[in-house]
Amino acid sequence: GAGVSQSPSNKVTEKGKDVELRCDPISGHTALYWYRQRLGQGLEFLIYFQGNSAPDKSGLPSDRFSAERTGESVSTLTIQRTQQEDSAVYLCASSLQAGMNTEAFFGQGTRLTVV
Amino acid sequence: RKEVEQDPGPFNVPEGATVAFNCTYSNSASQSFFWYRQDCRKEPKLLMSVYSSGNEDGRFTAQLNRASQYISLLIRDSKLSDSATYLCVVKTNYKLSFGAGTTVTVRA
Repeated sequence: GAGVSQSPSNKVTEKGKDVELRCDPISGHTALYWYRQRLGQGLEFLIYFQGNSAPDKSGLPSDRFSAERTGESVSTLTIQRTQQEDSAVYLCASSLQAGMNTEAFFGQGTRLTVV
Repeated sequence: RKEVEQDPGPFNVPEGATVAFNCTYSNSASQSFFWYRQDCRKEPKLLMSVYSSGNEDGRFTAQLNRASQYISLLIRDSKLSDSATYLCVVKTNYKLSFGAGTTVTVRA
């Protein structure tokens, strides 16, 4: 596909369960970002990958959150022991490189609801 | 202080009107600037990059003032389809920082 693909598009999970969110970036894009957007709020930075490395994990809200990227391609965001406050849309974006004036393209997001 | 701050609005304007709003950023080392548009329950999409000399794309004009650390967006001849939330985005090294967005509603 030509764009950033995220799956699942919607996920309802019970409090305390683990979830995995997947992002397939645009082929050849070395930079990959995860953001969280709560209802009616702005985008909150979670983590950034350059290739398979994550130089900045500062936005991950707690140790229940982790992410990895393999093959300089697919990335997975894992949330362990989900809590209700984790309910949000999780957006993934990729860009050709992390340099100047390179725009980021977003996937359609995964809407996570913790009940 | 937030890295990027925007007037949340909402700006309610009639069709054909001109609407303008600003965004301020805190890090003077920021290098790249963008305006994104986000429609309700959709992902953000790039509207335009913002260049130092200012730039236009049709009805949209973006300006950058590095000395005062703000970016502006002006929309001329507003259309109903311009109703959306406009996100100011600042790139510092690799990191994209987003404002919370300015909501614009264009009414018939």
